[in-house]
Parts: sequence; C-alpha cells; structure tokens
Amino acid sequence: DQQVKQNSPSLSVQEGRISILNCDYTNSMFDYFLWYKKYPAEGPTFLISISSIKDKNEDGRFTVFLNKSAKHLSLHIVPSQPGDSAVYFCAASALDFGNEKLTFGTGTRLTIIP
Amino acid sequence: GAVVSQHPSRVICKSGTSVKIECRSLDFQATTMFWYRQFPKKSLMLMATSNEGSKATYEQGVEKDKFLINHASLTLSTLTVTSAHPEDSSFYICSATLAGVVGDTQYFGPGTRLTVL
Repeated sequence: DQQVKQNSPSLSVQEGRISILNCDYTNSMFDYFLWYKKYPAEGPTFLISISSIKDKNEDGRFTVFLNKSAKHLSLHIVPSQPGDSAVYFCAASALDFGNEKLTFGTGTRLTIIP
Repeated sequence: GAVVSQHPSRVICKSGTSVKIECRSLDFQATTMFWYRQFPKKSLMLMATSNEGSKATYEQGVEKDKFLINHASLTLSTLTVTSAHPEDSSFYICSATLAGVVGDTQYFGPGTRLTVL
C-alpha cells in the first residue's frame, strides 16, 4: 500500500498565482520529508525538505508546510513561473533507516499557464 | 495501491564481482521501468529507461556494458552491476509506470544499498 500519497496527478495554475501541491503519508515513523522536481527524461532533483521538528521551511519562492497531526505536507510555489512546469514528487524518510531510504509519492504534474 | 519491490534491499560484495538487483511490480504490469542512482543531497540520477521486451535506453555517461538492464516481463526488470568497484557503491532505486496508462505517475521501489569493498 502507498505510504506516501499524492492524490492529484495533475494541476494547472495561471502564471503569477500560487501553486499548491499536496502530499499525505501514513507512516508515523517518517521524520524527514522532501520534494523533488522532475523534467522529462531526467531524474528527480531535490528541491526542498523539512524535518518533523518544524512545520514550515521556506526557500525563495518555495515553501513546504508540514502538518504532523494530519500527516500532510504541501509545497507552495509563489509566484508560479512557466519554468515551474514539471512533475513534482514528495518523498519521506525515517531516522531508523538512516534517513537514506526514501519512500516516494506517485507524482503531480504541474502546468503553469502563461 | 501499486507496489514496487526491490531485492535485495542491501548487498555487500567484493570488488570485481557482479551484483544483480531485481525490481518487481507486485500487483500491476509495468510497461516501463526506470533505474536511478541516488547521490548525496538525495538527488537521483536517471541511469536508464527499461521497456519490456526491448533494449534499455541508457542516459549519457552511463556504461551499458557495466550496468546491464534486462526487462524480461511486464513485472520484472533487473540491473546487474558487472565487475563492481568501490565507486559503484550507492543507493539504487527503480520506479515503474502502469501499462496502458498515459501520464507521469511513477511507483518507486524502496531502493537497494550496494556496498563494494
């Protein structure tokens, strides 16, 4: 069963607006969460992460929010730009596994409309 | 939900030996499987794309004779690291896409930690 879920396979957002990508997880052992961005024919590249001791981490236009009680995290991109069009994967890891083993969601394709 | 497994989860081998890693889609048919190598800061490098019944497509810089990929069925792809060297030590991850489904959804395996002594 999927321990990390991205329930929206696709999302379209107008350029300049906020993009919100959602991710849910079921394993309470996860304590570190990551977002990856993937362009066609490339591997996912690391974008931003958050530790379970925080509820928010910001890096430029990208902010990740973590709601541990709801087992939910989200990635906010504001303002959205055409170059943000890609597939986004969330992933989770647990300290018990040395934070190395990643459990991925299935991805959300974000399309930014000019 | 769709599940992808990898076997073994962890392997230690001597330099010069070959290691086979299996990637299986447990409850679905996977037309395409991808093999990644995980690098520091957790970025994944796409090594090759494996399509059932045909030769794998390797990314630039990946030696096809060293990293042999076989996709013999719709549920199994294997990566064989031949004549492994310590620099091949890494975390290898596979992912799969559902046969007959157009889109970006990928199901990732749990990864295999290879350590070459």
